[in-house]
Amino acid sequence: DAGITQSPRHKVTETGTPVTLRCHQTENHRYMYWYRQDPGHGLRLIHYSYGVKDTDKGEVSDGYSVSRSKTEDFLLTLESATSSQTSVYFCAISEGGGTDTQYFGPGTRLTVL
Amino acid sequence: AQSVTQLDSQVPVFEEAPVELRCNYSSSVSVYLFWYVQYPNQGLQLLLKYLSGSTLVESINGFEAEFNKSQTSFHLRKPSVHISDTAEYFCAVSVMRVGGRAGGTSYGKLTFGQGTILTVHP
Repeated sequence: DAGITQSPRHKVTETGTPVTLRCHQTENHRYMYWYRQDPGHGLRLIHYSYGVKDTDKGEVSDGYSVSRSKTEDFLLTLESATSSQTSVYFCAISEGGGTDTQYFGPGTRLTVL
Repeated sequence: AQSVTQLDSQVPVFEEAPVELRCNYSSSVSVYLFWYVQYPNQGLQLLLKYLSGSTLVESINGFEAEFNKSQTSFHLRKPSVHISDTAEYFCAVSVMRVGGRAGGTSYGKLTFGQGTILTVHP
């Protein structure tokens, strides 16, 4: 299994509070991704990174920011959480883009009350 | 932009029966095609992928998928399912690199379908 951990695994927070989710990899892969999974929507890309300090937006990036200061860590921040951001968040990594397999972490279940 | 449609949200079948999970995609450029599987309370893992060459690709656990360019489909099949195949299956596409250049800003990103929950009954 690819070495990907996500923390925390579960979090309950209140509307308006900031939240940071962490993805850590031990594979030295260049690409890292944050997705959210919601019933009926599959997985939707929030942000991704193609190198240290190189990030780009996905299809559902509003309300989220990311940072990648080291190859192994990719942080997802909700500046002011809303109930619509209640979801399961998955981090993924890949060695390159396009043809390369993406390996997924175990997920973080976030509930915003 | 790309889009993926999985035509069935749930597929119930009996053990040892054949199954087909349908996937259609839309894209203005050539794409790579993937099937991922998610077992309960786990992350996704790759089942199989089509990059080029033979349009029929197989996984190690008996699933196969066929790329049909004219119908823009990538349906997943298994001739005889087991209880352990119960999971959610996701079809996905990513933009193909053309002429040595990345396919614009979409290269490397996966676009997923809505998912199909396969439930295998004894």
